[in-house]
Amino acid sequence: AQSVAQPEDQVNVAEGNPLTVKCTYSVSGNPYLFWYVQYPNRGLQFLLKYITGDNLVKGSYGFEAEFNKSQTSFHLKKPSALVSDSALYFCAVRDRDTGRRALTFGSGTRLQVQP
Amino acid sequence: SAVISQKPSRDICQRGTSLTIQCQVDSQVTMMFWYRQQPGQSLTLIATANQGSEATYESGFVIDKFPISRPNLTFSTLTVSNMSPEDSSIYLCSVVPGQGMEGYTFGSGTRLTVV
Repeated sequence: AQSVAQPEDQVNVAEGNPLTVKCTYSVSGNPYLFWYVQYPNRGLQFLLKYITGDNLVKGSYGFEAEFNKSQTSFHLKKPSALVSDSALYFCAVRDRDTGRRALTFGSGTRLQVQP
Repeated sequence: SAVISQKPSRDICQRGTSLTIQCQVDSQVTMMFWYRQQPGQSLTLIATANQGSEATYESGFVIDKFPISRPNLTFSTLTVSNMSPEDSSIYLCSVVPGQGMEGYTFGSGTRLTVV
């Protein structure tokens, strides 16, 4: 079985400060990992993914994430937060060593960036 | 990446009735997924729909309640049958372009309210 944990329901950060949104995963094989963002009344937007290779992945809007196999983590980061980054963020996983193609999502973390 | 047109964007329905949600993709895709997102919660997979075969349902979801059609490689429908207020959710479709190593693409969602 595959699962994702996002331990923080909400993260508050001041504009201009660095932000981190945490994600840990569990798969029986090796993971494909994804981050998505959801703005109010809108669908899910893809931010970035880890497939293989470099553990540091850069994505849209200045976001990046670091894959850490020993800690089974894939935390989302941004060096300088913007008020417009305020949204709901989801981490998702797929086990690449099984036939299951669907993503499993974490519970989501609401990011609030204060001006 | 694939572009998905999902309809309707929202609806308010009477309990006991049914609603059919449509997803049209601008390219041929092998797999389509249907998710449910209850208010303030994560995405839960309802079923995986392959063209030419019966959909595969996740635990807790049954075909009689959520019948799915997949008549070709660019289109799918999900019906929410005999609705109750507990079915009030956002329903999203998703596709896996190519080998799935691009970001999975999501429809904009259907916000369903059952009264």
